Amino acid sequence: DAGVIQSPRHEVTEMGQEVTLRCKPISGHNSLFWYRQTMMRGLELLIYFNNNVPIDDSGMPEDRFSAKMPNASFSTLKIQPSEPRDSAVYFCASSAGTYNSPLHFGNGTRLTVT
Amino acid sequence: QKEVEQDPGPLSVPEGAIVSLNCTYSNSAFQYFMWYRQYSRKGPELLMYTYSSGNKEDGRFTAQVDKSSKYISLFIRDSQPSDSATYLCAMSESPGNTGKLIFGQGTTLQVKP
Repeated sequence: DAGVIQSPRHEVTEMGQEVTLRCKPISGHNSLFWYRQTMMRGLELLIYFNNNVPIDDSGMPEDRFSAKMPNASFSTLKIQPSEPRDSAVYFCASSAGTYNSPLHFGNGTRLTVT
Repeated sequence: QKEVEQDPGPLSVPEGAIVSLNCTYSNSAFQYFMWYRQYSRKGPELLMYTYSSGNKEDGRFTAQVDKSSKYISLFIRDSQPSDSATYLCAMSESPGNTGKLIFGQGTTLQVKP
């Protein structure tokens, strides 16, 4: 299995632009998580889905952030408009959603907003 | 105060040393405790998973949970240069990955040959 696939690996954009991050979870996994990692705040959960349905989006920092999961094999995280403080590494993770099934993380998208 | 506190280090040890990594937490509802390892430019990967208090051993790694003190530890025996990474503790109220995981800041470990 190729694991969780995220794209792009790096994104550099100017303040005010729209940014879309993409994630393909491991086939058969029914839970998907979006995390953000910064030096200051560490790894923070933004939102997670079970069976394509958003369960908890309390970690989404502002209305500028939105996430969708149109089907079991694809999810997006969109930031519009982007700001310099959004610069971070964004991770997608998936799991089988059962007891003690581990989270499998992708290698992240490094976002820089100038 | 953060829910989970972890010293970011960095921690530098010679090869073969015993390494002790620790986290404290404030939420007494946490029941599931994990340690993840993260290499540079990579996503975290699960190392150890424990439920409630007690010890769990896997090869050179031992995880300990003391719920009465709200304190968890990861011990690495006979540390190797390949163990150089950032170690993140994580915990949740519900079984591992059916809910919200709260991560520590991560401790950066360097094992020198």
